[in-house]
Amino acid sequence: EAQVTQNPRYLITVTGKKLTVTCSQNMNHEYMSWYRQDPGLGLRQIYYSMNVEVTDKGDVPEGYKVSRKEKRNFPLILESPSPNQTSLYFCASSWTEGTDTQYFGPGTRLTVL
Amino acid sequence: RKEVEQDPGPFNVPEGATVAFNCTYSNSASQSFFWYRQDCRKEPKLLMSVYSSGNEDGRFTAQLNRASQYISLLIRDSKLSDSATYLCVVNPLDSSASKIIFGSGTRLSIRP
Repeated sequence: EAQVTQNPRYLITVTGKKLTVTCSQNMNHEYMSWYRQDPGLGLRQIYYSMNVEVTDKGDVPEGYKVSRKEKRNFPLILESPSPNQTSLYFCASSWTEGTDTQYFGPGTRLTVL
Repeated sequence: RKEVEQDPGPFNVPEGATVAFNCTYSNSASQSFFWYRQDCRKEPKLLMSVYSSGNEDGRFTAQLNRASQYISLLIRDSKLSDSATYLCVVNPLDSSASKIIFGSGTRLSIRP
């Protein structure tokens, strides 16, 4: 089944404790991206990647890192999480950089205390 | 001005009604447009792409007005299952970036 998976689905952590949210897609898509969704602000793009080893900042990259060592995986790293990073995070993938359907993962609800 | 703006709603309409919402965008060079649907606490899913000539898929019609820089979504004969948040998506296809911009969504609630 074609899908985007994210782990964990739910996470409660404390300020400053490094964490990684994994994202994996099995559709051989080139383009992957991370979003956060907050009430009233909608989905905002954090980082995107157009291919392996190619990543770039979206609208709200501060406090986040990503890597794209393999085509299928695009982990999101929070080196030192802070409470303002409490949010719902979605990973997405598509064939190209935005002219195609984006397939979203199920979301990761992160709470930073 | 936000790059992509939507009326947040909520739109509360009776089953069987026709409902329409618009989404305005600020970058006149934008090339790709989409409507996504998002159910509560779920991931967004593509509803339909928006083509220059407009397109229709069953009860749903999407249109693009480049002169006024907005896209629209029309839902006819609304069903209870249409209750969701509808997200407008614009890809500016700017040469310096590949940033996809989501509107903050319009909430639709269909009542029996």
